[in-house]
Amino acid sequence: AQKVTQAQTEISVVEKEDVTLDCVYETRDTTYYLFWYKQPPSGELVFLIRRNSFDEQNEISGRYSWNFQKSTSSFNFTITASQVVDSAVYFCALFGTYKYIFGTGTRLKVLA
Amino acid sequence: SQTIHQWPATLVQPVGSPLSLECTVEGTSNPNLYWYRQAAGRGLQLLFYSVGIGQISSEVPQNLSASRPQDRQFILSSKKLLLSDSGFYLCAWSPRLGLAKNIQYFGAGTRLSVL
Repeated sequence: AQKVTQAQTEISVVEKEDVTLDCVYETRDTTYYLFWYKQPPSGELVFLIRRNSFDEQNEISGRYSWNFQKSTSSFNFTITASQVVDSAVYFCALFGTYKYIFGTGTRLKVLA
Repeated sequence: SQTIHQWPATLVQPVGSPLSLECTVEGTSNPNLYWYRQAAGRGLQLLFYSVGIGQISSEVPQNLSASRPQDRQFILSSKKLLLSDSGFYLCAWSPRLGLAKNIQYFGAGTRLSVL
């Protein structure tokens, strides 16, 4: 069975703090993709990153970085020097055989 | 560039009334198409997906149906809405081929309230 767990329901940080959003997945597929999406208050999901199961290199994009570890089945997302505009719900997702499985999301509140 | 349009943005419908939500994709051909529902404060539930015209797969048995009359058009329907159909409905597409393969791109969503 495939499953994505985002144990953090809601996180509040003060602006400029670093914050890490956790994602743990389960799959029996040997080839799969992992994603992070951002859902701002407007509701539309915005694609942030895709990782395939063969690429465990960490990635950095500006203030965003992602840590993929197959050994622990985790794909964590870190925002450095958070800003108020980062306030949103963040979803981790897994694509394996044919369908996408989304986590329940983590609501991030960045306070000014 | 590719764009996805979803309408209406908000909808208030009485229980027992019909429903039709439409989604169209521009700038690409033969996309995979998806309908999701997000209940308040919850994650995304896949309702239907389609890999081609007339090809619909249902993930959750319920009183909703989907159709794909054209390559880039995906419609979500119901003959009689239930209170439990309230939620935020999102349409998404993903390319079959290329570097962006399997990346889902979402529409702006429709907030449906069934009263």
